[in-house]
Amino acid sequence: EAQVTQNPRYLITVTGKKLTVTCSQNMNHEYMSWYRQDPGLGLRQIYYSMNVEVTDKGDVPEGYKVSRKEKRNFPLILESPSPNQTSLYFCASSFDRVYSPLHFGNGTRLTVT
Amino acid sequence: GQQVMQIPQYQHVQEGEDFTTYCNSSTTLSNIQWYKQRPGGHPVFLIQLVKSGEVKKQKRLTFQFGEAKKNSSLHITATQTTDVGTYFCAGPKGNKLVFGAGTILRVKS
Repeated sequence: EAQVTQNPRYLITVTGKKLTVTCSQNMNHEYMSWYRQDPGLGLRQIYYSMNVEVTDKGDVPEGYKVSRKEKRNFPLILESPSPNQTSLYFCASSFDRVYSPLHFGNGTRLTVT
Repeated sequence: GQQVMQIPQYQHVQEGEDFTTYCNSSTTLSNIQWYKQRPGGHPVFLIQLVKSGEVKKQKRLTFQFGEAKKNSSLHITATQTTDVGTYFCAGPKGNKLVFGAGTILRVKS
């Protein structure tokens, strides 16, 4: 089954404790992206990747890192989480960046205390 | 800031009433996509519009792309409880796909 798999689904952590949210897709998509969703703000792009070893900042990249060492994986790293990073995170992938629909993972709800 | 504006933010309708959400961009879009997110779920792609003035239908849903390719709308005829959720429009801006803030639809039965 074609899918984007994110883990974990829920995560509660404390300020400053490094964490990684994993994302994997099995559709051989070149384009992958991370979004955060906050009430009233919709989906805001954090980082995206056009292909292996090619990543770039979205609209809200501060406090986040990503890597794309393999085509299927695109982990999101929070080196030192802060409470303002409490949010719902979605990983998504598509065949190309503009004309193909995005396939979303099930989301990760992160709480930073 | 948000480069794709979407209104209204929230709408509560009686089952059977119609519903419309509007999306506006300050710049011309090569295409526009619409997504639906059920409560507790993830966004799911509905449709993509590419041509100026394009109109597409999916059962009770009608999607339009403006002549100037700067605005779009999603109209639902005779809403049902299964229509509840958040509807997002999204348009490409360079290498990014920028989403509107979404319209939350609630349906009273």
